[in-house]
Amino acid sequence: SQQGEEDPQALSIQEGENATMNCSYKTSINNLQWYRQNSGRGLVHLILIRSNEREKHSGRLRVTLDTSKKSSSLLITASRAADTASYFCATDAYSGYALNFGKGTSLLVTP
Amino acid sequence: DTGVSQDPRHKITKRGQNVTFRCDPISEHNRLYWYRQTLGQGPEFLTYFQNEAQLEKSRLLSDRFSAERPKGSFSTLEIQRTEQGDSAMYLCASSLTGGGTEAFFGQGTRLTVV
Repeated sequence: SQQGEEDPQALSIQEGENATMNCSYKTSINNLQWYRQNSGRGLVHLILIRSNEREKHSGRLRVTLDTSKKSSSLLITASRAADTASYFCATDAYSGYALNFGKGTSLLVTP
Repeated sequence: DTGVSQDPRHKITKRGQNVTFRCDPISEHNRLYWYRQTLGQGPEFLTYFQNEAQLEKSRLLSDRFSAERPKGSFSTLEIQRTEQGDSAMYLCASSLTGGGTEAFFGQGTRLTVV
């Protein structure tokens, strides 16, 4: 079963706006990762945040983690049309080796 | 190194036939994963290798599915007696050992069972 759940399922914004996606998970984790997938392609790693971290930045990306609420958010600032893709959170649970993915948020950025 | 490569990229097969997919991970990565993804869903974990040892298998991996990683290098995923429900994108990923390491994904093999 999938560990994470992203919200919203779909998001449509204009270039230059910020996009925020949320992820909730169920069990204790070692770390949480965000991946991006362009249509019909493989996944690309964006950022990893460890369970003892609360916030992390990478370029235009900002990730927060609240382990008490079992939730994370991904913020993409100053979005571009090229950011159009599906975004997935993935958790690395203590109980196993595999990354468990949510269903993803489909982001559309229009010029 | 050009990353994780998967072959073939696309496969159309008739129901009941067997298919085999290949994954070549990044050479220094000793962890290898197989995932399955259907339209509108996130990747679902199938199985995991640490070197040549298959350490974890999902309940999704029925008896018709088998995966190998001989010599801890490339891996194959075989589906026997394919069913229409097996139609999906099969993704392979590899990573280094250690907690909190990113996984590198291949482009996937899209299987269509007709």
